[in-house]
Amino acid sequence: AQKITQTQPGMFVQEKEAVTLDCTYDTSDPSYGLFWYKQPSSGEMIFLIYQGSYDQQNATEGRYSLNFQKARKSANLVISASQLGDSAMYFCAMRETNNAGNMLTFGGGTRLMVKP
Amino acid sequence: NAGVMQNPRHLVRRRGQEARLRCSPMKGHSHVYWYRQLPEEGLKFMVYLQKENIIDESGMPKERFSAEFPKEGPSILRIQQVVRGDSAAYFCASSPRTDNTEAFFGQGTRLTVV
Repeated sequence: AQKITQTQPGMFVQEKEAVTLDCTYDTSDPSYGLFWYKQPSSGEMIFLIYQGSYDQQNATEGRYSLNFQKARKSANLVISASQLGDSAMYFCAMRETNNAGNMLTFGGGTRLMVKP
Repeated sequence: NAGVMQNPRHLVRRRGQEARLRCSPMKGHSHVYWYRQLPEEGLKFMVYLQKENIIDESGMPKERFSAEFPKEGPSILRIQQVVRGDSAAYFCASSPRTDNTEAFFGQGTRLTVV
């Protein structure tokens, strides 16, 4: 079974609008962390936001927020006021404490394209 | 404080040659992780190392691939007798401990096998 599922291979959004990128996960570990990364065409992995499984509030970082619904095992990324520079691949990832160290499991990614 | 440094950024090898990828973790980080990203896919875990120890190599192919993180110097991912299917981006990440909330990635090495 897939541990991290991103069901949207590609998404379009109009500049200045908000967009939600979906991520569902599967784990039996009671303690885990969820990450979102941005990968622009240049290829580097840019950390965006983190949500711990015991965090009471949804994480926010500037224009990024994480809609964490623990019972539904979803951790959707919301980008507000999209900018042209937001066009990139976006990856959801999970760290389970059952794993050794800080190993992350990644989803297949969503390509976001922002239209002017 | 420099970030995770990977070199080279781009590497071209002919089939059958050896590829050697280097990763210098952030200062103070003793945990290193290697990931592989095939085109149009997410990153896949390969190996987790601490200084002089391989902790988890469950994602490493059984043959031709090896990794080390010596007491001094960078971590090395070595691919012997490369084949076209090894063409991918290889990322290294480091952390100071096992419970931090951010994994710091290098910029990756793009290996092309011709």
